[in-house]
Amino acid sequence: AQKVTQAQTEISVVEKEDVTLDCVYETRDTTYYLFWYKQPPSGELVFLIRRNSFDEQNEISGRYSWNFQKSTSSFNFTITASQVVDSAVYFCALSGGSGGSYIPTFGRGTSLIVHP
Amino acid sequence: GAVVSQHPSWVICKSGTSVKIECRSLDFQATTMFWYRQFPKQSLMLMATSNEGSKATYEQGVEKDKFLINHASLTLSTLTVTSAHPEDSSFYICSARDLNTAYRHTEAFFGQGTRLTVV
Repeated sequence: AQKVTQAQTEISVVEKEDVTLDCVYETRDTTYYLFWYKQPPSGELVFLIRRNSFDEQNEISGRYSWNFQKSTSSFNFTITASQVVDSAVYFCALSGGSGGSYIPTFGRGTSLIVHP
Repeated sequence: GAVVSQHPSWVICKSGTSVKIECRSLDFQATTMFWYRQFPKQSLMLMATSNEGSKATYEQGVEKDKFLINHASLTLSTLTVTSAHPEDSSFYICSARDLNTAYRHTEAFFGQGTRLTVV
């Protein structure tokens, strides 16, 4: 079985602050993929990043960065210099290859509120 | 990126009626589509996995007779909520896999979601 834990239910910051969203996962698969999605108030899910279990390189994309650490089974997401438009619910997801299924399991989500 | 279109975006229906939600992959073929349900301030819960041309696989606790899924083609899957009741009110989201990418076993593209309100 696979599991994703996002311990932070809600985070509130003031614009321009840096913020890190935590994600801890559990899986028995050796091959798996990790994702982050953004869900703005409109409801649709916006894909942010995919990482496979063999690539532990950290990634930076503009103000977004991701820290993947297999040793601690974590895949944390940092937003630098947050903006009001970053306000959304962010989901971490895990997709493993048990039985070849690769069906994503989502965490509970972290609601990020960025105040002007 | 690949686009998944879900229709309608929102629907209000009377208790006892049925509602059909469509999920289309617009620029790719999707052998597999997933249907999720999301309650307010909660995560996405997988309801069923739909494979083109075969019966859907439902997750434990999901009533297959209530949530009818049809995946008739490589670009269309439908979810019909039959005899809807107020407790079926929720946000339903579909996702689809693209056969033709290197990540065909992993990447899933999501529709915009459908907010169903049963009154």
